[in-house]
Amino acid sequence: EVQLVESGGGLVQPGRSLRLSCTASGFTFGDYAMSWVRQAPGKGLEWVGFIRSKAYGGTTEYAASVKGRFTISRDDSKSIAYLQMNSLKTEDTAVYYCTRDQLVDTAMNFDYYYMDVWGKGTTVTVSS
Amino acid sequence: VIWMTQSPSLLSASTGDRVTISCRMSQGISSYLAWYQQKPGKAPELLIYAASTLQSGVPSRFSGSGSGTDFTLTISCLQSEDFATYYCQQYYSFPWTFGQGTKVEIK
Repeated sequence: EVQLVESGGGLVQPGRSLRLSCTASGFTFGDYAMSWVRQAPGKGLEWVGFIRSKAYGGTTEYAASVKGRFTISRDDSKSIAYLQMNSLKTEDTAVYYCTRDQLVDTAMNFDYYYMDVWGKGTTVTVSS
Repeated sequence: VIWMTQSPSLLSASTGDRVTISCRMSQGISSYLAWYQQKPGKAPELLIYAASTLQSGVPSRFSGSGSGTDFTLTISCLQSEDFATYYCQQYYSFPWTFGQGTKVEIK
């Protein structure tokens, strides 16, 4: 069974750091790109960032709201994706989901993915 | 940034109704659009990708259409388990963006 399990959430003070993990099982992790999406309490979905598979360079993309503060990485040997969150703000309070991203198309040096599998999420609360 | 306008934000309907949700883009995205369903306290689930391709296991009463800037999700015969919030999402360019969501509630 394809599964993603997030962990590492909790209560943290503003300005501090936290690292989330997304442990994958049931598929060849290294073949897939991965993303993080968050949802603030009572709000909609917000894409946070993305990491390509090593075959596509392992490069990352980020939302403007987290660029320079958050870093996504991956350890294919352990089937884990990470979200390192630094300089946390109260507005980062949310449920954080990781997703498996399915490559659907490549054209003109661009690659296109959709998020086909989601984890159950882990809650991050930033408060003093 | 590609902005998305999803409407309506709230839709009241009865079991058996046909419902339609719209998603409009600020610029053309070809068919790089997905639809997700989210139930309270649960993670979103993929319904449709490439604007009109049904994800494996999703009931055929769900369908998607459109390309360019205008897209539609249709539920042909609403079932009790379909009362949820629906989101569109573009993956044409980064940053990926979501619509604001449409809550489908019981009338």
